[in-house]
Amino acid sequence: ILNVEQSPQSLHVQEGDSTNFTCSFPSSNFYALHWYRWETAKSPEALFVMTLNGDEKKKGRISATLNTKEGYSYLYIKGSQPEDSATYLCASRSARQLTFGSGTQLTVLP
Amino acid sequence: ETGVTQSPTHLIKTRGQQVTLRCSSQSGHNTVSWYQQALGQGPQFIFQYYREEENGRGNFPPRFSGLQFPNYSSELNVNALELDDSALYLCASSLGEGTGFINEQFFGPGTRLTVL
Repeated sequence: ILNVEQSPQSLHVQEGDSTNFTCSFPSSNFYALHWYRWETAKSPEALFVMTLNGDEKKKGRISATLNTKEGYSYLYIKGSQPEDSATYLCASRSARQLTFGSGTQLTVLP
Repeated sequence: ETGVTQSPTHLIKTRGQQVTLRCSSQSGHNTVSWYQQALGQGPQFIFQYYREEENGRGNFPPRFSGLQFPNYSSELNVNALELDDSALYLCASSLGEGTGFINEQFFGPGTRLTVL
């Protein structure tokens, strides 16, 4: 059974703060790691798909790193804004399955 | 918006009934995946269809079945509904998967199913 764990479960930060979350996954049979942002009442939005150890990807103020040997990925948000408030999900692909974590719920306070 | 649509938005059924949920993928996307999200959990993978054939399946019983059509639409069918089937059902389309989940997925807004 593939377990994908995310921490923290929820997070409140002030506008302008930088923050980061962790996604841990079994490193065996790893193929890809996905990050999604899911705002309330909207569809989950793909942020990154990462496949190689040491991958670093960036989209605006959001970036992510990947360590496949130790089985973790970090998502960073620089200078958080209220519109960044959402649930951030990671998912690991292994053996024709995509397994999601339970998400980190981020609230950015103005 | 992702261009992926789902219908209906909400649905109420009673235990033992059957339900069909529908998804319209982005044009050109030959892969569709279905997920179940129970309250407080991440989405759980049900199955994936690639070029109209099942390409992978999660830990769901056979009463969960699917179809994918050439016009980029797909269906999730659930027979003999149980109370625990109450959840948000998401579909996601992607391009050229084959082996699955390497490419970016585009999610629909989901169908909220309540089983009474």
